[in-house]
Amino acid sequence: AQSVSQHNHHVILSEAASLELGCNYSYGGTVNLFWYVQYPGQHLQLLLKYFSGDPLVKGIKGFEAEFIKSKFSFNLRKPSVQWSDTAEYFCAVTPYSSASKIIFGSGTRLSIRP
Amino acid sequence: KAGVTQTPRYLIKTRGQQVTLSCSPISGHRSVSWYQQTPGQGLQFLFEYFSETQRNKGNFPGRFSGRQFSNSRSEMNVSTLELGDSALYLCASSLMVGGLQETQYFGPGTRLLVL
Repeated sequence: AQSVSQHNHHVILSEAASLELGCNYSYGGTVNLFWYVQYPGQHLQLLLKYFSGDPLVKGIKGFEAEFIKSKFSFNLRKPSVQWSDTAEYFCAVTPYSSASKIIFGSGTRLSIRP
Repeated sequence: KAGVTQTPRYLIKTRGQQVTLSCSPISGHRSVSWYQQTPGQGLQFLFEYFSETQRNKGNFPGRFSGRQFSNSRSEMNVSTLELGDSALYLCASSLMVGGLQETQYFGPGTRLLVL
């Protein structure tokens, strides 16, 4: 069965620290990949997505992610976090053949110390 | 453009009752998907509708059902509510381009509490 693994459940960083959140998926075929963010009290928002092309994708608020097909990974990065990045981050995958069904990871809670 | 809207935002029901949740997609979006979010299980796909037809379904019991209207608005219904149905129910809409679904945009959700 298809699945998405986010290895870190809770990450605590200080402001200006660099961030990398891991995401691995299990699916042998072509996939579309996403990172969504849920700020406290707000709804899910798209951070960035990968459909095809350059495996390094840039999203909003200085986030980027790299798709490494050989590792089935799509890690999220940000060189310098801010207090306002405190949120829950979800990695998600849709198999290309069934693109209406998003499979989400369990989420990573990011807490930033001011 | 207005975003995805969901009504009601909060709902309290008792076991055995049924509930209907509503979702209005972004204008022009014809695909609507539903998800259940709980602390224990995370975000789980319920089903997806396009042109009034259910195209995809997750692993939920038959008590969970949905429908889509000709204006793309969608409703989901849960019958014979159980305590474990307490969750945030999210609706997402998306465009279809060339037969493929584009990015899904989420609504604020309906928080259901079953007592």
